[in-house]
Amino acid sequence: TQTVSQSDAHVTVFEGDSVELRCNYSYGGSIYLSWYIQHHGHGLQFLLKYYSGNPVVQGVNGFEAEFSKSDSSFHLRKASVHWSDSAVYFCAAGGSNAKLTFGKGTKLSVKS
Amino acid sequence: EAAVTQSPRNKVTVTGGNVTLSCRQTNSHNYMYWYRQDTGHGLRLIHYSYGAGNLQIGDVPDGYKATRTTQEDFFLLLELASPSQTSLYFCASSDLGSQNTLYFGAGTRLSVL
Repeated sequence: TQTVSQSDAHVTVFEGDSVELRCNYSYGGSIYLSWYIQHHGHGLQFLLKYYSGNPVVQGVNGFEAEFSKSDSSFHLRKASVHWSDSAVYFCAAGGSNAKLTFGKGTKLSVKS
Repeated sequence: EAAVTQSPRNKVTVTGGNVTLSCRQTNSHNYMYWYRQDTGHGLRLIHYSYGAGNLQIGDVPDGYKATRTTQEDFFLLLELASPSQTSLYFCASSDLGSQNTLYFGAGTRLSVL
């Protein structure tokens, strides 16, 4: 059984700050990891993913995430947030069966 | 970009009612999914399919049926709706070679009174 844990339900930062949203997973096998963003009233949109190779992956709008096998983590980072980054962020994990499991989400609030 | 269209966008029914949620994707993706989103639970997988006529059981399938009639169309059926099924439902699709990249619809908000 694969599980995805996002330890922070809500993170608040100021515009221009850096931010890290945490994701830990448990899965026995080859794993795909990804992040999605959900703006209020909308469906989820894909941000970035990791399967193999360079553990740091780049996504859209300046987001990046780093995979760590030793920590079972896939944290999302952005160096300088904008108010438009305010949204709910979901971490997801999947295997070869195409079944994707999502975390409970972290709501990011960016204050100006 | 993949287009996933859900209908209706909002639905209200009564306990014991019969509800069908529809989803159509127009990019010939193999996989389609139904998730429900609830506060405190995130997204939970109900059913998914890898092609017409195929159905796979998700993590929270009780009380739900699904049918994939064509590659484009995936339906979620609640035959005896209960208040616990009040939720925001999302359909998604993905390509065979990119299973981790899901394209989501805008969602259907269902209220069971």
